[in-house]
Amino acid sequence: TQLLEQSPQFLSIQEGENLTVYCNSSSVFSSLQWYRQEPGEGPVLLVTVVTGGEVKKLKRLTFQFGDARKDSSLHITAAQPGDTGLYLCAGEDSNYQLIWGAGTKLIIKP
Amino acid sequence: DTEVTQTPKHLVMGMTNKKSLKCEQHMGHRAMYWYKQKAKKPPELMFVYSYEKLSINESVPSRFSPECPNSSLLNLHLHALQPEDSALYLCASSQRIYNEQFFGPGTRLTVL
Repeated sequence: TQLLEQSPQFLSIQEGENLTVYCNSSSVFSSLQWYRQEPGEGPVLLVTVVTGGEVKKLKRLTFQFGDARKDSSLHITAAQPGDTGLYLCAGEDSNYQLIWGAGTKLIIKP
Repeated sequence: DTEVTQTPKHLVMGMTNKKSLKCEQHMGHRAMYWYKQKAKKPPELMFVYSYEKLSINESVPSRFSPECPNSSLLNLHLHALQPEDSALYLCASSQRIYNEQFFGPGTRLTVL
């Protein structure tokens, strides 16, 4: 069974702080997607990373795909209350299946 | 149009009721999905349709019955559900199977 381990599971920090969320696996993924979900809503795709070592930026969010395409990280600079939500990573494996991480619940306190 | 719409937003049903959840997308996506999500958990895949054919059924109980009438519509028929089936039911679509997925807002289902 393939696993995508996401950490931390829960993070509560003050506005203005920086944070990093990790997704790790022993399996190689052809791509990895990051989603954010707010309570009572569906997940919203933030970014897809495809190439090993790739770095993508979305305003204050920086996404990185590991060189071996087994892990990924999401770094948020100067977190804002609007960043609060459940962050989910999902990797596409060699069988074209999407493997989901368990999610990181992020709370940014004003 | 880059939206996936779902109706109803909320649904309360008894264990003997029959109801349907509806999902629609007009992005020309050829893959559509039903997920079940419990509180503070990631979405769990239930069904995948690719080109209007059921591709994957993740061992879902027969009280859940999917239907794909055309490339834009996806239904989930519910019958004789149990209280533990209460959850957020999410529909998603993607250009091809397991590609980047666009999710609807979900239907919050409560089974009494």
